[in-house]
Amino acid sequence: AQSVTQLDSQVPVFEEAPVELRCNYSSSVSVYLFWYVQYPNQGLQLLLKYLSGSTLVESINGFEAEFNKSQTSFHLRKPSVHISDTAEYFCAASSQGGSEKLVFGKGTKLTVNP
Amino acid sequence: KAGVTQTPRYLIKTRGQQVTLSCSPISGHRSVSWYQQTPGQGLQFLFEYFSETQRNKGNFPGRFSGRQFSNSRSEMNVSTLELGDSALYLCASSLGATGPNQPQHFGDGTRLSIL
Repeated sequence: AQSVTQLDSQVPVFEEAPVELRCNYSSSVSVYLFWYVQYPNQGLQLLLKYLSGSTLVESINGFEAEFNKSQTSFHLRKPSVHISDTAEYFCAASSQGGSEKLVFGKGTKLTVNP
Repeated sequence: KAGVTQTPRYLIKTRGQQVTLSCSPISGHRSVSWYQQTPGQGLQFLFEYFSETQRNKGNFPGRFSGRQFSNSRSEMNVSTLELGDSALYLCASSLGATGPNQPQHFGDGTRLSIL
């Protein structure tokens, strides 16, 4: 069975500081990995995904995540955050092989302070 | 291209009642998945429908059911509502084809409150 662990439930940072949101997964099969962001009173928006190939994946708004198979991690990073990045971030995994079921971590609330 | 549409956005029910939630996927998407989001349990997978057939199911009681129509729209039904069913119910759609996984696109959810 798969599981996804987000190590920090809340991360407060100051504007323009770097941030890392940690995610570890466990699975007996190969997985696809995703980061989703949720703003208040909204659904989830896909931030970035790892399917195969380059282990470093980037989003259009400056976030990046690196797939590390040996450490079973998929940490999310941004070198300089903005107030508008304040949201809840979810790491998710699905099994390779066609299943649409996503297993989510508990989420990390990122709060960017001025 | 319109996104995933969920109706209604908010719903208040009392214990013992039943409720039906609706989800219209992105045009061309054939897979619809449902998730329950609560502060305590986080996001939990309910079930997934593809071409009108339930393809995957999570660990929820039989009070939770769903269906998908020929136009890929999906409904989720919860019978005999309990206080613990209060949650944000999210619907997600994807192409659902086999091969490299296609990311799911989420609606804004239906917030169900049980009194």
